[in-house]
Amino acid sequence: NAGVTQTPKFRVLKTGQSMTLLCAQDMNHEYMYWYRQDPGMGLRLIHYSVGEGTTAKGEVPDGYNVSRLKKQNFLLGLESAAPSQTSVYFCASRPRDRGRTGYTFGSGTRLTVV
Amino acid sequence: QQQVKQSPQSLIVQKGGISIINCAYENTAFDYFPWYQQFPGKGPALLIAIRPDVSEKKEGRFTISFNKSAKQFSLHIMDSQPGDSATYFCAASSNTGFQKLVFGTGTRLLVSP
Repeated sequence: NAGVTQTPKFRVLKTGQSMTLLCAQDMNHEYMYWYRQDPGMGLRLIHYSVGEGTTAKGEVPDGYNVSRLKKQNFLLGLESAAPSQTSVYFCASRPRDRGRTGYTFGSGTRLTVV
Repeated sequence: QQQVKQSPQSLIVQKGGISIINCAYENTAFDYFPWYQQFPGKGPALLIAIRPDVSEKKEGRFTISFNKSAKQFSLHIMDSQPGDSATYFCAASSNTGFQKLVFGTGTRLLVSP
């Protein structure tokens, strides 16, 4: 099925460890986004990309890095995980020409940092 | 800074009742206002959306009411069903800055049988 696939679905990290979250979409979408979802805070944009090789900071970028080496993949990295990064992470993508109605979200990665 | 304020945080409605969720925004450049529905363990999915040139949009049991002068919009779920139990997010975006969505804090709706 076409869509946005996030891996892993669950992960527990120790403080200071690093990891990479992978987002893959097979819809040939130009734009991709990483959000984090926390109770009572909604979804907040971490980083986004408007095309292969380009990335930009969102609302809460500190402590995260991203890369978009291939159009279909958008990677979110945590270099030194902190308990404050415990959250559910969602990736989304959309085609450039469908505007804001075209967002497709993945099913999320639940990350716990202990 | 919370650009889109959403209330209530949680809501319990009896089956057949009307669920109402409210949102307010500050940025007058916003010109697209979607509502997303999220079930446990799933990502948000677009439910219904409105642009500021209309005051109301209806799709089945779901209606968005929009008040441009008050900078408020709301979601009404008529004849609420247990299957509507989910978290609902309002959002907004402007036609600049790559049209990034800004989300409200979410409302957890429980429709009791």
